[in-house]
Amino acid sequence: AQTVTQSQPEMSVQEAETVTLSCTYDTSENNYYLFWYKQPPSRQMILVIRQEAYKQQNATENRFSVNFQKAAKSFSLKISDSQLGDTAMYFCAIRLGSARQLTFGSGTQLTVLP
Amino acid sequence: NAGVTQTPKFRVLKTGQSMTLLCAQDMNHEYMYWYRQDPGMGLRLIHYSVGEGTTAKGEVPDGYNVSRLKKQNFLLGLESAAPSQTSVYFCASSRAGTADGSPLHFGNGTRLTVT
Repeated sequence: AQTVTQSQPEMSVQEAETVTLSCTYDTSENNYYLFWYKQPPSRQMILVIRQEAYKQQNATENRFSVNFQKAAKSFSLKISDSQLGDTAMYFCAIRLGSARQLTFGSGTQLTVLP
Repeated sequence: NAGVTQTPKFRVLKTGQSMTLLCAQDMNHEYMYWYRQDPGMGLRLIHYSVGEGTTAKGEVPDGYNVSRLKKQNFLLGLESAAPSQTSVYFCASSRAGTADGSPLHFGNGTRLTVT
């Protein structure tokens, strides 16, 4: 069975600075997809970025980028130029190629300070 | 485009009462899911469905039942609510297959309190 670990329950960053959220996972499969979701105080779950395991190039979406280290089974999220609106709970998740569901980590609460 | 709609948004139940959470999606997705979110535990899968008339158990299915009579709807039932079922419940849907990872699209959640 696959597992996802987010070892930082809470983090904070000053506005306009860069922050990195860590995520490690464990799976014996070679085909899978990784995701970061954001949950602001509104409770809505918003897809931030996705990464296919077979792609070596790290995914980027505007100010959000990932550092995908397949051998280390690490999938960290970097947020550049942090904004107050980035304050949210961030969840890392994995979807195996053979599975129909996502498995989530326990989340990291990020607070952007003015 | 409404996406995934959950009703109700909030509910308070007494121990032993029953209720049904409703989920509807208008994206013609094949797969639908029910997750629960508890502090420090992330989202855990309760049940899911890969098509009309089919359901399967997830990680924490005990105390819940589901039905998918129509492709666009996925219902989550609590037959006899317990305080341990106090949580935020999320419905989600996705396409079949994994061509692009098939990310989940979520509803806005239902906060359920069982007293």
